Amino acid sequence: ETGVTQTPRHLVMGMTNKKSLKCEQHLGHNAMYWYKQSAKKPLELMFVYNFKEQTENNSVPSRFSPECPNSSHLFLHLHTLQPEDSALYLCASSQVSHTEAFFGQGTRLTVV
Amino acid sequence: GENVEQHPSTLSVQEGDSAVIKCTYSDSASNYFPWYKQELGKGPQLIIDIRSNVGEKKDQRIAVTLNKTAKHFSLHITETQPEDSAVYFCAASGAGSGGSNYKLTFGKGTLLTVNP
Repeated sequence: ETGVTQTPRHLVMGMTNKKSLKCEQHLGHNAMYWYKQSAKKPLELMFVYNFKEQTENNSVPSRFSPECPNSSHLFLHLHTLQPEDSALYLCASSQVSHTEAFFGQGTRLTVV
Repeated sequence: GENVEQHPSTLSVQEGDSAVIKCTYSDSASNYFPWYKQELGKGPQLIIDIRSNVGEKKDQRIAVTLNKTAKHFSLHITETQPEDSAVYFCAASGAGSGGSNYKLTFGKGTLLTVNP
């Protein structure tokens, strides 16, 4: 248990569906991140939030829409996804300007 | 931007043997190098890290070495056990400007299998 909780653990959705991934951290951190992990590829940073403000969007398609209502919660809203978006989506948190990042267990997303 | 290469992609050892995983990075400004272990069905877990002002760090059976001149760093696991079997990722980052947070660039991972 790393103090970062992601729900759901598994999600199957059609290309026309709308769904959301949720992340909550209990570590008192003030930075949160979304990563995408695909088979045989490095972990890809998608979004960074510092103190609830988005500070980085790593050229992510608009069908992925993040939301950070407070420093403890992070959402990833999904709509009109493609099969190639199937992957493990990982949330992480850290202190801003610190380097240690703690990851959640991820949401395994399958787009059909 | 930063580019991290990790080798080997798979590594199989006998229980009790040592395992070594190597990474190289491209950005000389990088100053923080963590290693993560990811077990099946779980997220990556930080197991050890090293900063650029240190050449070596050890924590029980795990050690990491850093050669800043050559821009490479390595993970060493001694007396391997079956529970060490997992995917290991190296990463590199530099502190952002003005105190902003770091950006981790990951290697592609090494699948370590420890055979009983």
